[in-house]
Amino acid sequence: EPEVTQTPSHQVTQMGQEVILRCVPISNHLYFYWYRQILGQKVEFLVSFYNNEISEKSEIFDDQFSVERPDGSNFTLKIRSTKLEDSAMYFCASSEAGQGGNQPQHFGDGTRLSIL
Amino acid sequence: AQSVAQPEDQVNVAEGNPLTVKCTYSVSGNPYLFWYVQYPNRGLQFLLKYITGDNLVKGSYGFEAEFNKSQTSFHLKKPSALVSDSALYFCAVRDTNTGFQKLVFGTGTRLLVSP
Repeated sequence: EPEVTQTPSHQVTQMGQEVILRCVPISNHLYFYWYRQILGQKVEFLVSFYNNEISEKSEIFDDQFSVERPDGSNFTLKIRSTKLEDSAMYFCASSEAGQGGNQPQHFGDGTRLSIL
Repeated sequence: AQSVAQPEDQVNVAEGNPLTVKCTYSVSGNPYLFWYVQYPNRGLQFLLKYITGDNLVKGSYGFEAEFNKSQTSFHLKKPSALVSDSALYFCAVRDTNTGFQKLVFGTGTRLLVSP
């Protein structure tokens, strides 16, 4: 069964540094997402991406964050000038183009980001 | 804004017994509802969804869920629990009124099935 793959599985970064989290969505999917889960808290939506542009973003997704689909397979989340509170598990997801969002989102195993 | 409540942090059940994991939701329009399971050090794995139609939906690994519009609930059920069902379960909702794709998740319920 096709899977969403994320790299690296664990990223340790000094506060203030930039970090890029990488994802390879399922190949025939057209919608891409990033979510994060701070330890012990709920999974929170960050951003959705369709047709090479952001379709929705949350209040969390401020100017510190950006997403890109640099080629036909990768989908990246860049976090600039990282802060301690950015430490979390970051999940990438993708979904098919269904009617009005009726298709399930399929998640990768996540990247654990630790800011020191 | 849409929201999901999972009132139980943990559910304990003996193997072979039926299990229920509760979920209630709040949306302005019609909901699309989803259940996901998370095993340790893994991502969220899709179990089942309710979009429209029959209120009882069946999913992977023998799980099913019942949509109740009047009670705004979408409880996850399984007739006979297995030890391997022990995991973290998340309910999620998408509000079809918003026109967006994002899922809003509950806080999760840990299911512990004892032998």
